[in-house]
Amino acid sequence: ELKVEQNPLFLSMQEGKNYTIYCNYSTTSDRLYWYRQDPGKSLESLFVLLSNGAVKQEGRLMASLDTKARLSTLHITAAVHDLSATYFCAVDAHNTDKLIFGTGTRLQVFP
Amino acid sequence: DAGVIQSPRHEVTEMGQEVTLRCKPISGHDYLFWYRQTMMRGLELLIYFNNNVPIDDSGMPEDRFSAKMPNASFSTLKIQPSEPRDSAVYFCASSLVVTGVASNEQFFGPGTRLTVL
Repeated sequence: ELKVEQNPLFLSMQEGKNYTIYCNYSTTSDRLYWYRQDPGKSLESLFVLLSNGAVKQEGRLMASLDTKARLSTLHITAAVHDLSATYFCAVDAHNTDKLIFGTGTRLQVFP
Repeated sequence: DAGVIQSPRHEVTEMGQEVTLRCKPISGHDYLFWYRQTMMRGLELLIYFNNNVPIDDSGMPEDRFSAKMPNASFSTLKIQPSEPRDSAVYFCASSLVVTGVASNEQFFGPGTRLTVL
């Protein structure tokens, strides 16, 4: 059974600092997705990573995928308050069209 | 495109009542997913459809839950009878799988916040 783990589960960081969120998964997959959820809102797609070595960047966020290590990272550069949200990674379950979501990382950026 | 549409956005009901949640996927999408989100259990996949056919309902918690997709533009999730432990946010999502394109990116609706008293 595919398991997706994120760490940390909760991250409190100061504005201007850098940090990385990790997403590990247990079985072979070469497709990984990152979503953002603001409090009381829905999930919004951030990045789609479709191959080993894929790297995507949007503003202060950069996501990468290492399928051999079964690891994706979401790197935050010079955090700002607007990045405060919960971030989920999700992995394609093998031979199905469904996604398995991680537990989420709640990010809080303070001044 | 209007995105995935869900109704109602909020529902408050009493234990034992029937609850029906509705979803309209993005036009042209061939997959539809129902999720439930709670603080305790996180985001759970309940059931998903491909071309209106249920593919995997292993996440449906019990017989009180049922889902239908009578056509490509409408799906319902019904709870009968409802219980307080069903209180959660229910999301509908849709996706389009294109031959030759590997992405299974899902697009989520705004959710229905259900409170069962």
